[in-house]
Amino acid sequence: GAVVSQHPSWVICKSGTSVKIECRSLDFQATTMFWYRQFPKQSLMLMATSNEGSKATYEQGVEKDKFLINHASLTLSTLTVTSAHPEDSSFYICSASYPSGYTFGSGTRLTVV
Amino acid sequence: SQQGEEDPQALSIQEGENATMNCSYKTSINNLQWYRQNSGRGLVHLILIRSNEREKHSGRLRVTLDTSKKSSSLLITASRAADTASYFCGAVQGAQKLVFGQGTRLTINP
Repeated sequence: GAVVSQHPSWVICKSGTSVKIECRSLDFQATTMFWYRQFPKQSLMLMATSNEGSKATYEQGVEKDKFLINHASLTLSTLTVTSAHPEDSSFYICSASYPSGYTFGSGTRLTVV
Repeated sequence: SQQGEEDPQALSIQEGENATMNCSYKTSINNLQWYRQNSGRGLVHLILIRSNEREKHSGRLRVTLDTSKKSSSLLITASRAADTASYFCGAVQGAQKLVFGQGTRLTINP
C-alpha cells in the first residue's frame, strides 16, 4: 500500500519551454505532498510542501513563479517548471505523507537543452 | 544541507563487514528516518526512530538516536553487495516536513 506514481520518469525539453511533472497517490489520499530536487551526488533538497486545496508552501530560495505547484485533488499534485533553463536540469522527486510515514515517487530526470 | 551533516560522505567496505553511517540534525524533531536510494531512483524507507527512543533494530539494521547531541547513526551488519546505495537520514520537523542530510554513498566490495 501507499504507492506514489510519478510521471514522466525522464524528460528532455528545450530551453524556454515548460515541463509538468505529475505525482499521483494510487491507493490512498494524500493531503500533503512534498517536492524535492536532487543534483548529481547530492542530497534531496525540499522545494515545497503541497497541500490539497490550498497554496503550496515554498522553501527559502525557491521561486514560486518558476516552480508552479498545484494540488487540486487528494490524489494528484503537479510541479510545473516554467521557462526551463539548463540550470534547472535535475532529478525531481515527489513524496506523500500517510499515517505510517512517507512514500516517494520514482523521480523525474529533467534535462533542459 | 537543509537538515544537517552526514558522515562519512562516502564509505567503501568489504562484503561481510559492518557499515556505520552518522547523521546530525539542526532543529528539534518528531522522529528521524533512514532511507536508501539506488542510483537515479526514488527513496526506500528503511527504519524510523521516534524522538523518545534511543535505539531500534530491524533485521540487519540498527539505528541509534541521541537527541542531546542531535545525532543518529545507522549500522548495517554483515553487509552484502546489494547494500550498495546512498543512505540518507531524514528529520521530521513540525508539520510533517521531512528534510534530509547530505547522505552517505556506501559501496560494498565483493
